[in-house]
Amino acid sequence: GQNIDQPTEMTATEGAIVQINCTYQTSGFNGLFWYQQHAGEAPTFLSYNVLDGLEEKGRFSSFLSRSKGYSYLLLKELQMKDSASYLCAVRDSEASGGSYIPTFGRGTSLIVHP
Amino acid sequence: NAGVTQTPKFRILKIGQSMTLQCAQDMNHNYMYWYRQDPGMGLKLIYYSVGAGITDKGEVPNGYNVSRSTTEDFPLRLELAAPSQTSVYFCASARERSYEQYFGPGTRLTVT
Repeated sequence: GQNIDQPTEMTATEGAIVQINCTYQTSGFNGLFWYQQHAGEAPTFLSYNVLDGLEEKGRFSSFLSRSKGYSYLLLKELQMKDSASYLCAVRDSEASGGSYIPTFGRGTSLIVHP
Repeated sequence: NAGVTQTPKFRILKIGQSMTLQCAQDMNHNYMYWYRQDPGMGLKLIYYSVGAGITDKGEVPNGYNVSRSTTEDFPLRLELAAPSQTSVYFCASARERSYEQYFGPGTRLTVT
């Protein structure tokens, strides 16, 4: 099984930088996803990390440390439209008896104010 | 491409009624999934399929059934609706197991 932890809620100011953390405990590891979900809408894919390090994609970056069981999503130059829930999802390693299907955390609700 | 489509968008059921939530994708994806999302909770996997004719249970399958007769369609059946099944249901698909999932717009179901 897996245990995925994210903060429930965060607030930030327009134009600022915010870091959303995700910690996980799993018997094996085979990738971590970040999704964005606006209220009343479906989740949409943001990033995928399977190796340690930083993946940058425009204003969004995602970092992974497998040895620490830790990832973060970094959002720069925050805009009002970034107000949404951010979901961390972890895939177990099949070699360790896990499923290849990602398990989702509860999500972090980010509120961006002017 | 329409992507992943779901019908209906909203539905109210009485306890004990049955219904089928429809899901279709036009991306020729092999993998399809059904999730439910309750307020403040993450997505919980109900059932998934790795291809036509193959389905398997997820974390919370009780009270639900699925079928996958074609690559495109993956309907979810509720046989005897219970208040505990009040939730938002999302269908998703993925090209292969290690690829990102594409989600449908969701079905908001209330059982009273």
